[in-house]
Amino acid sequence: AQKITQTQPGMFVQEKEAVTLDCTYDTSDPSYGLFWYKQPSSGEMIFLIYQGSYDQQNATEGRYSLNFQKARKSANLVISASQLGDSAMYFCAMREGVTGMDSSYKLIFGSGTRLLVRP
Amino acid sequence: DAGVIQSPRHEVTEMGQEVTLRCKPISGHDYLFWYRQTMMRGLELLIYFNNNVPIDDSGMPEDRFSAKMPNASFSTLKIQPSEPRDSAVYFCASSFRAGGKATNEKLFFGSGTQLSVL
Repeated sequence: AQKITQTQPGMFVQEKEAVTLDCTYDTSDPSYGLFWYKQPSSGEMIFLIYQGSYDQQNATEGRYSLNFQKARKSANLVISASQLGDSAMYFCAMREGVTGMDSSYKLIFGSGTRLLVRP
Repeated sequence: DAGVIQSPRHEVTEMGQEVTLRCKPISGHDYLFWYRQTMMRGLELLIYFNNNVPIDDSGMPEDRFSAKMPNASFSTLKIQPSEPRDSAVYFCASSFRAGGKATNEKLFFGSGTQLSVL
């Protein structure tokens, strides 16, 4: 079963508008972490934002915010005021089983969403 | 810090040849990961190490793949013999697990090695 699902293979957004990239996850572990990474055409993986399963508030990092809905197991990335440089692949990832030093430390990625910002 | 350093950036080889990919993690990081990225399968975790010890190699596709971490500052991923289906971008990433709280430590990725097996 897919642990991380990103249902939008590609999306367009107009420059300066906001866009939401969807991510749903599947885990039975009560303690987990959710991450978003950006991969521009140059290929590097850039960390954007993190949300812990016990965090009370949605994470924010500059123009990035995470719409975390725990009951629905969704962790959507919201990019406000899109810029041309935001055009890239975006990956959602999850680390589960994080309690204790013996727990797994895997970070599992979704299939990604390609975002294209139109001028 | 120089970040995670991978070499080579590009590798083109012929089927049947041995390929060795190299990675230098960020100094002080105690976890090292090898991922493979393809269009069909996305980002797959191949193997990860903690303090130079392999912890989980369940993602290694088959016996042709092997990974080592002889010391804290160097790791290799070897494919022998290589096949065209091994063509992919191979990423190395490292992380530091602070104080046992293993939730928010992000992975730092290298630039990747683009492998083409002809």
